[in-house]
Amino acid sequence: KQEVTQIPAALSVPEGENLVLNCSFTDSAIYNLQWFRQDPGKGLTSLLLIQSSQREQTSGRLNASLDKSSGRSTLYIAASQPGDSATYLCAVPPNDYKLSFGAGTTVTVRA
Amino acid sequence: NAGVTQTPKFQVLKTGQSMTLQCAQDMNHNSMYWYRQDPGMGLRLIYYSASEGTTDKGEVPNGYNVSRLNKREFSLRLESAAPSQTSVYFCASSDYEQYFGPGTRLTVT
Repeated sequence: KQEVTQIPAALSVPEGENLVLNCSFTDSAIYNLQWFRQDPGKGLTSLLLIQSSQREQTSGRLNASLDKSSGRSTLYIAASQPGDSATYLCAVPPNDYKLSFGAGTTVTVRA
Repeated sequence: NAGVTQTPKFQVLKTGQSMTLQCAQDMNHNSMYWYRQDPGMGLRLIYYSASEGTTDKGEVPNGYNVSRLNKREFSLRLESAAPSQTSVYFCASSDYEQYFGPGTRLTVT
């Protein structure tokens, strides 16, 4: 069974600092890896999807890397803003249909 | 383009009552999913439908049934609600990248 771990569970940084969020998974036979953002009381918003053949994916201030061989992905958020405060989850599908989620990293960006 | 929509947004049930959670997507996706999210347990897959006409159990299917009514709609039914089913329920759809609905907050007393 795919196990997904996110460290740290919570992170608090001052505005402007870069954020580094980690995700590790036990089974490297993945199709892709997806990063989500969840605001309190809301649904999940997809941020980035990295295909298994890619090593990284970028969208604006967000950059996600993927190292399948070591079972790791890292989400970088540059120049953090208070609006970046949310819970960030990573998820991997061991097959085409089922996503295994990490527990998330809750980020607080202090103004 | 509404994406994934869910109804209702909130629901309170008494133990033993039944209800159906509705989900619809307008992205022409083949696959649809139902998850529940509980504090300390993360997101867990209840049922999924890889394509119209098929459904399969996920990690926590007991106490639930699903219907893939057509390509757009995927409903989740609680036949006899129990307090352990108090949770936030999310529907999602995908052809590759998963997109989530806003959730239904269900309380069973």
